[in-house]
Amino acid sequence: DQQVKQNSPSLSVQEGRISILNCDYTNSMFDYFLWYKKYPAEGPTFLISISSIKDKNEDGRFTVFLNKSAKHLSLHIVPSQPGDSAVYFCAASANDYKLSFGAGTTVTVRA
Amino acid sequence: SQTIHQWPATLVQPVGSPLSLECTVEGTSNPNLYWYRQAAGRGLQLLFYSVGIGQISSEVPQNLSASRPQDRQFILSSKKLLLSDSGFYLCAWRPRLGNTEAFFGQGTRLTVV
Repeated sequence: DQQVKQNSPSLSVQEGRISILNCDYTNSMFDYFLWYKKYPAEGPTFLISISSIKDKNEDGRFTVFLNKSAKHLSLHIVPSQPGDSAVYFCAASANDYKLSFGAGTTVTVRA
Repeated sequence: SQTIHQWPATLVQPVGSPLSLECTVEGTSNPNLYWYRQAAGRGLQLLFYSVGIGQISSEVPQNLSASRPQDRQFILSSKKLLLSDSGFYLCAWRPRLGNTEAFFGQGTRLTVV
C-alpha cells in the first residue's frame, strides 16, 4: 500500500523558471515530511524537510509547502538550474522508525 | 562527523548464488538502520529496519534477510538469489531520537544473471 504518492513521474522545466513537484499522502499520522534528490547510481541526498506544525519551510532556492487538510505537500525550486536535473523523492514519517518514500519525479532542466 | 559506508558498489551474481551486502556507520551511536531497494523505474521500497543490535523488522516478504551483529553494522543477505532480486540497494541510518532526516550510503547495483 503506497502511503506516499508522487503522481507525476517526470517534469521538464526551462532553466531559470520555477519547478513545482507535488506529493500526496494517505496516512494522517505522518508528522514529518522530507524531500530528497537523487542522481543515477548514487544514494539520495537530503534537501529540505517540514514538520506538521508548519505550513512552509524555505532554504535558499528550495521551499516546501504543506497542506495538512489536503494531505499534500509540494517542493518549489526557483530558479531552476541545470544541476537540479535529478530524481526527487518525497518521504514521510509518523514519528516511528520508518521513512516511507514516493515513487519519485524525474526533473529535467532545459537550457 | 557521521559517515556511512556501503559495499560493494556493483555486483553481478548468478541465480541461486548467495548474497551479502554490508553497511557500516561511523561517528554516531545507536542509530536506526535501514535497507531500501530501488527497482528499475520505481521508488524506494523499505526492506528492513533495525532499532538495535539483533533487532530486525521486515517490511515485505521476500527472498532476503537482514542482520545487525554490531551497533553500527547492518548486513543484507540471501541464501539463493532470484532474478527479481536485481536492483539498487541502499543502506541508510537515522538518529535514534526525534524526527530527522535519514542519511544514505552510495548504494549497491545488484544484477542477478
